Amino acid sequence: AQSVTQLDSQVPVFEEAPVELRCNYSSSVSVYLFWYVQYPNQGLQLLLKYLSGSTLVESINGFEAEFNKSQTSFHLRKPSVHISDTAEYFCAVKDDMRFGAGTRLTVKP
Amino acid sequence: ETGVTQSPTHLIKTRGQQVTLRCSSQSGHNTVSWYQQALGQGPQFIFQYYREEENGRGNFPPRFSGLQFPNYSSELNVNALELDDSALYLCASSVGLGETQYFGPGTRLLVL
Repeated sequence: AQSVTQLDSQVPVFEEAPVELRCNYSSSVSVYLFWYVQYPNQGLQLLLKYLSGSTLVESINGFEAEFNKSQTSFHLRKPSVHISDTAEYFCAVKDDMRFGAGTRLTVKP
Repeated sequence: ETGVTQSPTHLIKTRGQQVTLRCSSQSGHNTVSWYQQALGQGPQFIFQYYREEENGRGNFPPRFSGLQFPNYSSELNVNALELDDSALYLCASSVGLGETQYFGPGTRLLVL
């Protein structure tokens, strides 16, 4: 079974600063990767996904993630964060949909 | 088009009791997966149902069981509740196996 490691449990940043949330997965022949966001007291919302094709995927709210096969990574980035981006972010790998432990992003004014 | 809904939103039970959680999948979705999310952790896969048949199971004991109905709604049953069963239980549906999952808001279960 595949595994997912989110390297940072908490990431505090100031508003309008760039951010990177790191995710590494165990290697496999083929892999589908996902980032989900969870706001307080809510379920998970799909942020973006990589299934095939272009290694750079983008979401509608300014996040992007790049699939790097050689480094087995799928890091999430945003060039300028907002207060409203404060949430828990989960990386997941498709197979049996294994999730990482999550990274709590806190954006401070 | 309605999304995935779950009921109840919150539930309090005592050790040894049994609980049933319900999930209505998104319209057009025939696959439902259940996850347990303990406080401060990522979701853990419990099992998946595809067209009323169990299609995969995570590392959970048999006292965790489920059903999927002809309308593709689903139930998660947990018998002999333990304190460690306290968690947020998430249901996710998809249009088929291997497709993107869409999550409901979850049911928060507290076992005292």
